[in-house]
Amino acid sequence: DTGVSQNPRHKITKRGQNVTFRCDPISEHNRLYWYRQTLGQGPEFLTYFQNEAQLEKSRLLSDRFSAERPKGSFSTLEIQRTEQGDSAMYLCASSLMEMNTEAFFGQGTRLTVV
Amino acid sequence: RKEVEQDPGPFNVPEGATVAFNCTYSNSASQSFFWYRQDCRKEPKLLMSVYSSGNEDGRFTAQLNRASQYISLLIRDSKLSDSATYLCVVLSGGYNKLIFGAGTRLAVHP
Repeated sequence: DTGVSQNPRHKITKRGQNVTFRCDPISEHNRLYWYRQTLGQGPEFLTYFQNEAQLEKSRLLSDRFSAERPKGSFSTLEIQRTEQGDSAMYLCASSLMEMNTEAFFGQGTRLTVV
Repeated sequence: RKEVEQDPGPFNVPEGATVAFNCTYSNSASQSFFWYRQDCRKEPKLLMSVYSSGNEDGRFTAQLNRASQYISLLIRDSKLSDSATYLCVVLSGGYNKLIFGAGTRLAVHP
């Protein structure tokens, strides 16, 4: 399967714990996005990489969230000291840099904080 | 004000109906526009890109009005399988990131 891969698919964690999600984009894609989606809402932009450079981080994102893409390939999203409000689907997408190119999404990681 | 705004619906239509969704965006410098479809508990998938001249793909027609900063999607002859959430997406911002609307829910019934 050469699509976008996210792991784990589901994560249940206790409040206050740290969690880390991984995204493996389509191999030739240089853009990688992280989004958060809650029920009834569209994907909310979190952060975005072009190769290994993190170009932008949403102002909505607290300091508890950090993302890396160390070699311009896979990316990780870490949430420290999780809160119940962090419960959501975390989606990763990748695309080429050119305009009008499709972004492909992974199946997401569903986080439940109890 | 949100960067991309959509009517959340739901739009409940019978099979065979024609239905139209609109979307407005706030950044006049936005470069590219898309409609994505998202089925329940699935990831979003590209339905179609939206070009300045308008474009059509079978029963689906997308239009862009840059002067009024809105995008539309028209679905003709609705099928049960068209039931989904339709997300308006804009490539915007200094680094051209993809911004999603909240989505419009469509329910097609027999």
